[in-house]
Amino acid sequence: AQKITQTQPGMFVQEKEAVTLDCTYDTSDPSYGLFWYKQPSSGEMIFLIYQGSYDQQNATEGRYSLNFQKARKSANLVISASQLGDSAMYFCAMREVTGNQFYFGTGTSLTVIP
Amino acid sequence: DTGVSQDPRHKITKRGQNVTFRCDPISEHNRLYWYRQTLGQGPEFLTYFQNEAQLEKSRLLSDRFSAERPKGSFSTLEIQRTEQGDSAMYLCASSPTVQANTGELFFGEGSRLTVL
Repeated sequence: AQKITQTQPGMFVQEKEAVTLDCTYDTSDPSYGLFWYKQPSSGEMIFLIYQGSYDQQNATEGRYSLNFQKARKSANLVISASQLGDSAMYFCAMREVTGNQFYFGTGTSLTVIP
Repeated sequence: DTGVSQDPRHKITKRGQNVTFRCDPISEHNRLYWYRQTLGQGPEFLTYFQNEAQLEKSRLLSDRFSAERPKGSFSTLEIQRTEQGDSAMYLCASSPTVQANTGELFFGEGSRLTVL
């Protein structure tokens, strides 16, 4: 089974609007971390936001927030007030406490329309 | 400190040749990872070092692949007898020792390999 599933290959959003990128995960570990990365066309992976499995509140970092629904095993990224520079690939990732790997999803390509 | 650096950024080689990539992690990070990313896919785990010890290797890492991290500092990833299927972006990332599962990966800009 896939550890991380991103079901939206591509998304479009109007500039200044909010957009939600979906991510579901699969783990039996009680402790894990969830991460979102942005990869612009230049190729570098840029860390955006982190959510711990025991965190009571949803993580927020500026215009990024993580909608964490533990029972549903989902960790959706919400980008508010989209900007043209947000156009990129976005990857959801998970790290289990029992392992060393980060598992990545297949990514969502976001295009911000002016 | 300028972050994780990788060299070369681009490598074009003929099938059957050997290639080597170098990664210099952030200096205080003792964890180092290699990932492979093909077009339209997410990064796939290849191998992981804690200091100089290679603690985990993916099944993707065939006998033609070898990675080292002498002295727990920089790391090299060598691919012998390259095949066209090896064409990909090779990403290096580092991370400090963390409690439990926190601590994001810091990625380099990647080394793009094209095998002709």
